[in-house]
Amino acid sequence: DTGVSQNPRHKITKRGQNVTFRCDPISEHNRLYWYRQTLGQGPEFLTYFQNEAQLEKSRLLSDRFSAERPKGSFSTLEIQRTEQGDSAMYLCASSLDQVRNEQYFGPGTRLTVT
Amino acid sequence: DAKTTQPNSMESNEEEPVHLPCNHSTISGTDYIHWYRQLPSQGPEYVIHGLTSNVNNRMASLAIAEDRKSSTLILHRATLRDAAVYYCILLRYGGSQGNLIFGKGTKLSVKP
Repeated sequence: DTGVSQNPRHKITKRGQNVTFRCDPISEHNRLYWYRQTLGQGPEFLTYFQNEAQLEKSRLLSDRFSAERPKGSFSTLEIQRTEQGDSAMYLCASSLDQVRNEQYFGPGTRLTVT
Repeated sequence: DAKTTQPNSMESNEEEPVHLPCNHSTISGTDYIHWYRQLPSQGPEYVIHGLTSNVNNRMASLAIAEDRKSSTLILHRATLRDAAVYYCILLRYGGSQGNLIFGKGTKLSVKP
């Protein structure tokens, strides 16, 4: 078990382009979370999945953002028509279930929109 | 959601104990107290959690006040590797979706 992995680790894109990030959770974990973190702030919740079902989305997740978790394994987070305000670290976490909800975080994908 | 209050920063000397406080005066009966930490340039890392009783694990101890309105994370012997931002988070089970609500945390500096 290598923990939660995220790819790419860094992404630089021009404003208006689309980007997609991938998260591979710990294999037996049912829950998968996406967070966003800007400099000097704590992470902010974006959305979460229980297996393949997306059960909650934050108001931070505008209609330019979409997340999927096909087959309840890896997840992707896509941002369409990126804006400079989207520049942040995007963190993925997974947990076994709600009872044992220790969340294990990946290293994050740092997005820079120029 | 119940809120937590932590000092912005603390300093410690290497190999000395560190007590990181957290106030959560509006905590409800079903709120668990979780602590995470985030080392520079890494994702957050789970440290410990508890409900009413004090808890110990290999990383730290969690002391919970009798009225549960405050708690203290205890690092028994700080090392340079413990320099991080420490987050105290309340998580409600039984209806909660489980997403963590992070504040700004306490930035711990460890001096050699």
